[in-house]
Amino acid sequence: EAQVTQNPRYLITVTGKKLTVTCSQNMNHEYMSWYRQDPGLGLRQIYYSMNVEVTDKGDVPEGYKVSRKEKRNFPLILESPSPNQTSLYFCASSLQGPPYEQYFGPGTRLTVT
Amino acid sequence: GENVEQHPSTLSVQEGDSAVIKCTYSDSASNYFPWYKQELGKRPQLIIDIRSNVGEKKDQRIAVTLNKTAKHFSLHITETQPEDSAVYFCAAGGGGSNYKLTFGKGTLLTVNP
Repeated sequence: EAQVTQNPRYLITVTGKKLTVTCSQNMNHEYMSWYRQDPGLGLRQIYYSMNVEVTDKGDVPEGYKVSRKEKRNFPLILESPSPNQTSLYFCASSLQGPPYEQYFGPGTRLTVT
Repeated sequence: GENVEQHPSTLSVQEGDSAVIKCTYSDSASNYFPWYKQELGKRPQLIIDIRSNVGEKKDQRIAVTLNKTAKHFSLHITETQPEDSAVYFCAAGGGGSNYKLTFGKGTLLTVNP
């Protein structure tokens, strides 16, 4: 089954404790992206990747890192999480960048206390 | 960068009525305009998209119109049904070397039986 997976689905952590949210797709997509969703703010793009070893900032990259060492994986790294990073995070992938349809993962709900 | 404004933020209609959601964008280079539907607790899913070389696109009860001169695009849902109740997001991006996708803040559509 073609899909985008994320792990973990739920995470509660404390300020400053490094964490990684994994994202994997099995559709051989070149483009992958991370979004955060906050009430009243919609979806905001954090980082995107056009292909292996090619990443670029979205609209809200501060406090986040990404890597793209393999085509199928695009982990999101929070080196020192803060409470303002409490949010719902979505990974997405598409065959190539816009105008190709993006397929979203199930989401990761992160709480930083 | 791109800025997408979406209105209204909430919309309540009676079953069978039509619903219209409007978006404006700022970057004239954007050439891809998708609409996503997000049901409660679920991931966003593409329902229709339009590219800048097309003025209108229709898929059964859903249609999207694009006015590139005015930089606005709209989602039209006819004969609404209770299962159309969800949050709808517009987005704009692509074009030239722009590989980002910028979303509006969303519209909560409620269809009352």
